[in-house]
Amino acid sequence: AQKITQTQPGMFVQEKEAVTLDCTYDTSDPSYGLFWYKQPSSGEMIFLIYQGSYDQQNATEGRYSLNFQKARKSANLVISASQLGDSAMYFCAMRETSGTYKYIFGTGTRLKVLA
Amino acid sequence: SAVISQKPSRDICQRGTSLTIQCQVDSQVTMMFWYRQQPGQSLTLIATANQGSEATYESGFVIDKFPISRPNLTFSTLTVSNMSPEDSSIYLCSVGQGLGYTFGSGTRLTVV
Repeated sequence: AQKITQTQPGMFVQEKEAVTLDCTYDTSDPSYGLFWYKQPSSGEMIFLIYQGSYDQQNATEGRYSLNFQKARKSANLVISASQLGDSAMYFCAMRETSGTYKYIFGTGTRLKVLA
Repeated sequence: SAVISQKPSRDICQRGTSLTIQCQVDSQVTMMFWYRQQPGQSLTLIATANQGSEATYESGFVIDKFPISRPNLTFSTLTVSNMSPEDSSIYLCSVGQGLGYTFGSGTRLTVV
């Protein structure tokens, strides 16, 4: 069965510093997608970044990058130059690439950026 | 990417009553998903709704408790029936277009 594990319930980072949020996954499917979402206190889910299982390079989107280590089944999110507005819950998710295309979410990491 | 309008944004309901949540998408989409996020928890998929067919429910969720309608490719509703305090959660709809799926802004439900 597919599974996403986020072992950091909470993280602190100083403003302007970089922070890494951990995510490991388990699947027997050779084709899958890995995602990170941000959920501010308002509750909406904001898509940040995507990594395909066959992608050779790590994904980057502005200040977000995904450190994809396929052999270790990890997909860590790196946020560079943290900003106060980055304070939120962050969810790692995996999506099947066949069938229903539904997501499986990790338990999330609450990030607090300190001024 | 698609834009989703989800209503209501929040509600406080009496136990035993029902609440219908609506999601309107600004483009036609094949699959819509409904998620529940209990307080302090992650998102759990309730069901997948395809237009013109019965919704597919995940283990632990049943149609009698969470009936879903999908009358066309831009609209869906989720009803939370016979509510109890355990149903207090954020409910989110989601559509799949492109790589990152789009989520509605969520409905924060409190059952008293």
